[in-house]
Amino acid sequence: AQKVTQAQTEISVVEKEDVTLDCVYETRDTTYYLFWYKQPPSGELVFLIRRNSFDEQNEISGRYSWNFQKSTSSFNFTITASQVVDSAVYFCALSERGANSKLTFGKGITLSVRP
Amino acid sequence: DTGVSQNPRHKITKRGQNVTFRCDPISEHNRLYWYRQTLGQGPEFLTYFQNEAQLEKSRLLSDRFSAERPKGSFSTLEIQRTEQGDSAMYLCASSLVIAEAFFGQGTRLTVV
Repeated sequence: AQKVTQAQTEISVVEKEDVTLDCVYETRDTTYYLFWYKQPPSGELVFLIRRNSFDEQNEISGRYSWNFQKSTSSFNFTITASQVVDSAVYFCALSERGANSKLTFGKGITLSVRP
Repeated sequence: DTGVSQNPRHKITKRGQNVTFRCDPISEHNRLYWYRQTLGQGPEFLTYFQNEAQLEKSRLLSDRFSAERPKGSFSTLEIQRTEQGDSAMYLCASSLVIAEAFFGQGTRLTVV
């Protein structure tokens, strides 16, 4: 069975600090997809990134970067120079091939960025 | 607005009443999902449609829950004889390609 663990529950940083959100996953499938979603106070889940299991190349998008390591089953998310607008709950999720694309989410990490 | 739309945004109902939620997916998206999210937890998968066919239902979905997607367009989720444990945020998502789902703002249900 697939599982996503986000061990950190709450993180508080001061604006402009860098912060890394951890995600560890479990799956028996060799083909799978990993995601990060952001849930601001408005409640809507905002898609941030998708990676497939065959692509371990790290990705950078502006202040966001993702580090995917199959050897440790981790898919960590770093925000560089955090801003108050980054305050939200961040979810890591996993989808296995053949699972009709349903997502298994972690419990989420609440990030608070203080001015 | 071309995103996923859910109505109503909030619903308060008395225990034992039936409620129905609606989801309008992004047009052309053939996959539609329902998730439930309780406080402090990540969303949990409930059910999934490809076009009008309901292809999978979670064991979380008791017999009191039913979902439809007539004509492969909008979807409804009905909960019969609501219980306090049904209080949650109900999220709808749609996708076109495998696994990349876009979510609506959800319907928050409170059962009193």
